[in-house]
Amino acid sequence: GIQVEQSPPDLILQEGANSTLRCNFSDSVNNLQWFHQNPWGQLINLFYIPSGTKQNGRLSATTVATERYSLLYISSSQTTDSGVYFCAASFPGGGADGLTFGKGTHLIIQP
Amino acid sequence: ETGVTQTPRHLVMGMTNKKSLKCEQHLGHNAMYWYKQSAKKPLELMFVYNFKEQTENNSVPSRFSPECPNSSHLFLHLHTLQPEDSALYLCASSLIANQPQHFGDGTRLSIL
Repeated sequence: GIQVEQSPPDLILQEGANSTLRCNFSDSVNNLQWFHQNPWGQLINLFYIPSGTKQNGRLSATTVATERYSLLYISSSQTTDSGVYFCAASFPGGGADGLTFGKGTHLIIQP
Repeated sequence: ETGVTQTPRHLVMGMTNKKSLKCEQHLGHNAMYWYKQSAKKPLELMFVYNFKEQTENNSVPSRFSPECPNSSHLFLHLHTLQPEDSALYLCASSLIANQPQHFGDGTRLSIL
């Protein structure tokens, strides 16, 4: 079946460090998004990136659709970056317009 | 503010109760979604509506009944739920299918 796999599952860093989160997907995608879920459960939309590269402040993302992976980069981490980062994708011909989510990367930024 | 509002934020109900979750979006979107997030599990798609028509039911038990009266409103009617249905229920919307989805803050549901 269609799969979205994220790595690493857990990541603990010191404030100021850089990090790279990876998302592998099992088929070509027509929608790929990165989200940050904060401790209150709110799911914040970071990037819509089915292909290419985007940047927003300290965050950037790259999706290489032909190789079926996406990367989320966080630079100069802050404690407020802590939380769970989800990658989610929808697939053409999958019969569903909704997103299939990975299990997430739990990021902890220590002061 | 994401433009997607869910009410109530928290709900505690017994297994024999009937309640409804509400989602409203002010983004002019035409597609709306229900997702379920249980502890220790990935978010799971439940239902998809495009232009008020249901286009996806991801094998959801009949004790969950969605309703989409117009493109701005989505409901999830609940009846005779089980303890394992306790979860965070998230609503999302997008302009059309396969466009970026924007999520509400969720309803945290506890079944006693």
